[in-house]
Amino acid sequence: DSGVTQTPKHLITATGQRVTLRCSPRSGDLSVYWYQQSLDQGLQFLIHYYNGEERAKGNILERFSAQQFPDLHSELNLSSLELGDSALYFCASSVDGGLYSPLHFGNGTRLTVT
Amino acid sequence: ILNVEQSPQSLHVQEGDSTNFTCSFPSSNFYALHWYRWETAKSPEALFVMTLNGDEKKKGRISATLNTKEGYSYLYIKGSQPEDSATYLCAFDNYGQNFVFGPGTRLSVLP
Repeated sequence: DSGVTQTPKHLITATGQRVTLRCSPRSGDLSVYWYQQSLDQGLQFLIHYYNGEERAKGNILERFSAQQFPDLHSELNLSSLELGDSALYFCASSVDGGLYSPLHFGNGTRLTVT
Repeated sequence: ILNVEQSPQSLHVQEGDSTNFTCSFPSSNFYALHWYRWETAKSPEALFVMTLNGDEKKKGRISATLNTKEGYSYLYIKGSQPEDSATYLCAFDNYGQNFVFGPGTRLSVLP
């Protein structure tokens, strides 16, 4: 058990809808990273938050947004969903987002858009 | 665009065989390289963090080496066991801002 909690585990929704994915990092970890894994693709970096502040942004669509709250949990909001957004979304946390800290991954949220 | 490559894409070995695979990354502005092990239906787990040229890390039967000047890292598994079957990922640590993952090497160890 990595200590990183993601909810929900599975989500099935229709095109055009909006969903929120939630991540609670390991106790003491300040950094949260979001990754997307689509079919036959590797882990694609979306966004990184450190202690409530956005630190780095990857190829995240404008329809997607994220935030990290004062209690350090993070939410990834996906709106105007398209079929191509179906993927496994991982959250990972690290102690400080640097200083060679490894990532600790949650079990992922599998999103299916129909 | 920062590109991380891994080879081979997949590998089948017999139980007891030793094996190795490669991760290639940009040799400029190197900070750190991470290796992860990803079993089916689970989430990736950290194996090693490699930071210095010539680094060699070991955990049981698994070890890794690093060459930052030429931009590659090798992961070795000695005496493969069925429980070693997994996808092995390397990730280029971009100063903690983000981690760029390679596509992975899928290892199957046949009993």
